[in-house]
Amino acid sequence: DVKVTQSSRYLVKRTGEKVFLECVQDMDHENMFWYRQDPGLGLRLIYFSYDVKMKEKGDIPEGYSVSREKKERFSLILESASTNQTSMYLCASRLPGGGNIQYFGAGTRLSVL
Amino acid sequence: AQSVSQHNHHVILSEAASLELGCNYSYGGTVNLFWYVQYPGQHLQLLLKYFSGDPLVKGIKGFEAEFIKSKFSFNLRKPSVQWSDTAEYFCAVPRADSGGYQKVTFGTGTKLQVIP
Repeated sequence: DVKVTQSSRYLVKRTGEKVFLECVQDMDHENMFWYRQDPGLGLRLIYFSYDVKMKEKGDIPEGYSVSREKKERFSLILESASTNQTSMYLCASRLPGGGNIQYFGAGTRLSVL
Repeated sequence: AQSVSQHNHHVILSEAASLELGCNYSYGGTVNLFWYVQYPGQHLQLLLKYFSGDPLVKGIKGFEAEFIKSKFSFNLRKPSVQWSDTAEYFCAVPRADSGGYQKVTFGTGTKLQVIP
């Protein structure tokens, strides 16, 4: 079974803090994704990485950056957290050619106070 | 651009009732369609998928979905729901970009609440 692990289930940070959300997958998938999930808005893509050190902005990249130094790890960075970044963050991975099926982590619920 | 519409945002059913959740998409290329489910406190997971062939696809836990090309629809159905089906359901469709069809667009989700 594919396993996608997000380092924290719940996180509380203060406005202006730098926040790191970590995601690790154990299936050697090339593609990894970060989404945020908000009520009534579904999942919105923040960033996508199609390989190590390769990244692409998604639909809502403002205020976020990412890092992919190793194939299994994809980090989402909030350079200066703001209250409007309070959300559920989901990481996913995908095997190219794998029918576009994505495998998700359990999510990190981030609260920015 | 590809889009996905889920018209039911919140559905409440009694156990044993039948379920149909609507999903419509706008998409110009090869059609792959997905339903994902997120049970309370759990990760989002694939419920079923359509790639080609029989337009009626079956997934886990007795769910099925029918691809109707003429209606651009991929509705999710279950004849008799159980309390354990309480979850949020997302329809998804691949989206084309410079790298091919590497990403998907998700609908806004439908929260299903099943009352015992």
